[in-house]
Amino acid sequence: DAGVIQSPRHEVTEMGQEVTLRCKPISGHDYLFWYRQTMMRGLELLIYFNNNVPIDDSGMPEDRFSAKMPNASFSTLKIQPSEPRDSAVYFCASSLVKFGHLNTEAFFGQGTRLTVV
Amino acid sequence: AQSVTQLDSQVPVFEEAPVELRCNYSSSVSVYLFWYVQYPNQGLQLLLKYLSGSTLVESINGFEAEFNKSQTSFHLRKPSVHISDTAEYFCAVIPTGANNLFFGTGTRLTVIP
Repeated sequence: DAGVIQSPRHEVTEMGQEVTLRCKPISGHDYLFWYRQTMMRGLELLIYFNNNVPIDDSGMPEDRFSAKMPNASFSTLKIQPSEPRDSAVYFCASSLVKFGHLNTEAFFGQGTRLTVV
Repeated sequence: AQSVTQLDSQVPVFEEAPVELRCNYSSSVSVYLFWYVQYPNQGLQLLLKYLSGSTLVESINGFEAEFNKSQTSFHLRKPSVHISDTAEYFCAVIPTGANNLFFGTGTRLTVIP
């Protein structure tokens, strides 16, 4: 398996524009997580899905952020409208089992570096 | 509530010298503990984890970490570092019953030739 695949790797956009980040989890993984990494706040969980269903979106910062998982092999994180403070690296991760299980391990994608100017 | 503290944001060390990256946590429940490594321009990779059993865990590339419940610590050590160990290292916890990895702010390890 190629691992968790994120696209694009880099995105530069103007304030106010819509941004869509994409993620393909590892095949067979039931859990998918979206994280944001910034210098100020480190790594924060935004939302996670189990079997394509959003379970916890309490980390989503504002209504401008939305995430979907239309099927087991694809998820999107959308920001509309984007603002400069959204600039960060966004990571997608997937896991075969629920965290805390003995075999728990999250596999991370390479991230999308978003710059909003 | 839980938190993870990595006191050292940057650790420079000479090649073949030993290194310790510190991690302390606080939690009202028991936790599972992890170390992740992030090489430049890459995602995070699991280095090692403690879920139960022996408090000393090892990775395949020579790192080890010891869970110390009384000191609520999970420090990462390596007796002799290589240039290729230059990366950012993140300590993380999962409180039992939760489904979220809570990360520390990371420690940038730089190995000097």
